[in-house]
Amino acid sequence: DTGVSQDPRHKITKRGQNVTFRCDPISEHNRLYWYRQTLGQGPEFLTYFQNEAQLEKSRLLSDRFSAERPKGSFSTLEIQRTEQGDSAMYLCASSTGTGPYEQYFGPGTRLTVT
Amino acid sequence: GNSVTQMEGPVTLSEEAFLTINCTYTATGYPSLFWYVQYPGEGLQLLLKATKADDKGSNKGFEATYRKETTSFHLEKGSVQVSDSAVYFCALSDSDYKLSFGAGTTVTVRA
Repeated sequence: DTGVSQDPRHKITKRGQNVTFRCDPISEHNRLYWYRQTLGQGPEFLTYFQNEAQLEKSRLLSDRFSAERPKGSFSTLEIQRTEQGDSAMYLCASSTGTGPYEQYFGPGTRLTVT
Repeated sequence: GNSVTQMEGPVTLSEEAFLTINCTYTATGYPSLFWYVQYPGEGLQLLLKATKADDKGSNKGFEATYRKETTSFHLEKGSVQVSDSAVYFCALSDSDYKLSFGAGTTVTVRA
C-alpha cells in the first residue's frame, strides 16, 4: 500500500490554458474524492466517485471543471480556460466505502495561474 | 447546511504545555467527527475520529470527545512536543462521502 498519489505536485500555467491533474487512489479503494484548498482555509469538497460513477458535484465545480475515473481506478481532474481564481491546492482522497467514512489524502497538486 | 468552526490560530506553545483547540459544528443529522493533521510538507492525515455522541477518539496522545449537547469536538493533548507542530483541521461527515472542514489551526511548539 503506497498511499494516494497525485501528479504533478506543482503546476504553473498561464491564464486561459487547460490543465489536467491525476490521482491514483489506494488500490481497491472504490471511492475517490476531489477537494480544493485555498490558502488559510480548510479543504472544500468538489466531487466524488463510487467506482467509475461520478455521484456528486459541488456547485464549486463550474462548467470549466471536469473529472473522470475510467475503469474505477485512477482519476483525472481537468480545468479548462484557467483563471487566476483557480489557483489553489487540489487534493485527492480515497476510501473503502465502508463506515465511518475515513478518507486517505494524497499530497495534493498546487496550481498557480499567472 | 453543515459547517465547522474551529479556534483561530496561530497557536504557539512551549514543549510540555497543554494544548486545546476548540471545534464546534452545525449539522442536520448525526455526523461523524474527525481531526485531521497536516505536518509541514506532508498531506492531510487522519488523527482521530468519533462516530457517535460521547465517543472519545484518541491517537498519539491527542483526545477529543463528541459532545452532542454542545455540538463540540475539542482537541486536547496534555504535553505537546516540537513534533506536534502542524496545522490541525476539524471535520465532519453526515453522509457517506462528503467531509466538511474547518479553516484549520496552526500550532507551533517551541523547544
